[in-house]
Amino acid sequence: GEDVEQSLFLSVREGDSSVINCTYTDSSSTYLYWYKQEPGAGLQLLTYIFSNMDMKQDQRLTVLLNKKDKHLSLRIADTQTGDSAIYFCGGGYSGYALNFGKGTSLLVTP
Amino acid sequence: DTEVTQTPKHLVMGMTNKKSLKCEQHMGHRAMYWYKQKAKKPPELMFVYSYEKLSINESVPSRFSPECPNSSLLNLHLHALQPEDSALYLCASSRRRVSGNTIYFGEGSWLTVV
Repeated sequence: GEDVEQSLFLSVREGDSSVINCTYTDSSSTYLYWYKQEPGAGLQLLTYIFSNMDMKQDQRLTVLLNKKDKHLSLRIADTQTGDSAIYFCGGGYSGYALNFGKGTSLLVTP
Repeated sequence: DTEVTQTPKHLVMGMTNKKSLKCEQHMGHRAMYWYKQKAKKPPELMFVYSYEKLSINESVPSRFSPECPNSSLLNLHLHALQPEDSALYLCASSRRRVSGNTIYFGEGSWLTVV
């Protein structure tokens, strides 16, 4: 599969902003995604961005895409303890399905 | 309704058992997927069905046998599994099997092989 790199761990205080970063090698994806996985649960689609966009905002979530650097980020404003989870970025590489990064574990402390 | 339903949620089976995992979606999606996820790892693609035909098999051992009886259902038949096959099995679907279609996942089936 294509290489998708993510930082493995992030710890923030409740109320602060979180920024989770992702870099990828293949620029052929049309959509790029962020999924959230809580302990013991499946994958929840959080948001996605078209590859021809630079930014997408959805309530507390802001996705930034830098196509030149092949860099995707997810910013969570006013992070809450319920946001503690693993966050996976992924794209529709090679024309089918998704390849995922290794996931970033976000820990939100009171 | 963006829902992919998987059953059972938990399954414990012996190495000589035959069991099946089931997945259902009623969104009119024509691409369906099976992923395997081990603890603390990202999901890994196993199979892709497009218009009820198997289009991708990511070198999965034959003890896993997928089946797509119709456009809404996807099964994964399990036989003679090994303990290392214990994992979360995720089903997903998208409108079509092309890049750029949002992929929706089910909650997964937790499989334990004893």
